[in-house]
Amino acid sequence: GQQLNQSPQSMFIQEGEDVSMNCTSSSIFNTWLWYKQEPGEGPVLLIALYKAGELTSNGRLTAQFGITRKDSFLNISASIPSDVGIYFCAGRDGVQGAQKLVFGQGTRLTINP
Amino acid sequence: GAVVSQHPSRVICKSGTSVKIECRSLDFQATTMFWYRQFPKQSLMLMATSNEGSKATYEQGVEKDKFLINHASLTLSTLTVTSAHPEDSSFYICSAGWGASNQPQHFGDGTRLSIL
Repeated sequence: GQQLNQSPQSMFIQEGEDVSMNCTSSSIFNTWLWYKQEPGEGPVLLIALYKAGELTSNGRLTAQFGITRKDSFLNISASIPSDVGIYFCAGRDGVQGAQKLVFGQGTRLTINP
Repeated sequence: GAVVSQHPSRVICKSGTSVKIECRSLDFQATTMFWYRQFPKQSLMLMATSNEGSKATYEQGVEKDKFLINHASLTLSTLTVTSAHPEDSSFYICSAGWGASNQPQHFGDGTRLSIL
């Protein structure tokens, strides 16, 4: 099925470093979402973006909805060990909660203390 | 706290058994619930979209007679894996969404299904 192109696929960083990951699509999305998944659990919502150009923060996390509506990025500043996990971007055609999501392949984040 | 509850979290059973997984929305009425399957080190793959009171819409390649979905109320959807075989072993995750709102989907904690 349709997928977003998410990169990088994996990252190995030192504690305290900043992290940046992004998603691109060949088609327009009207909603971008970023989730984090830890082993054996379901994804947990980090940030939701609804407007092109929107920049939203959640603690040390910042995400932006690209102006073209075909991309989004997520930054994590000053990483800590609990940031370890898999980060997924997801796009939605519309703005209604009942509409299905398209997921990126995920970015696996590993942090060396 | 959790807004979507999924049960059971883990199932181990013999080949040929049918397994039912429940997904409940706790704080809101979910007009739509989604069922995903996730293989190790891969992304979530949408299996079907479940609307309250109507038949589920299955994604291409997903057998509807194999994966029975029932969404009888605004807070409960169930996925039954019928006559499960080892190749059905996977991590199954549900999510719930509000109909006309712009709220994002919230996910359950997943069910690890292992067929022996």
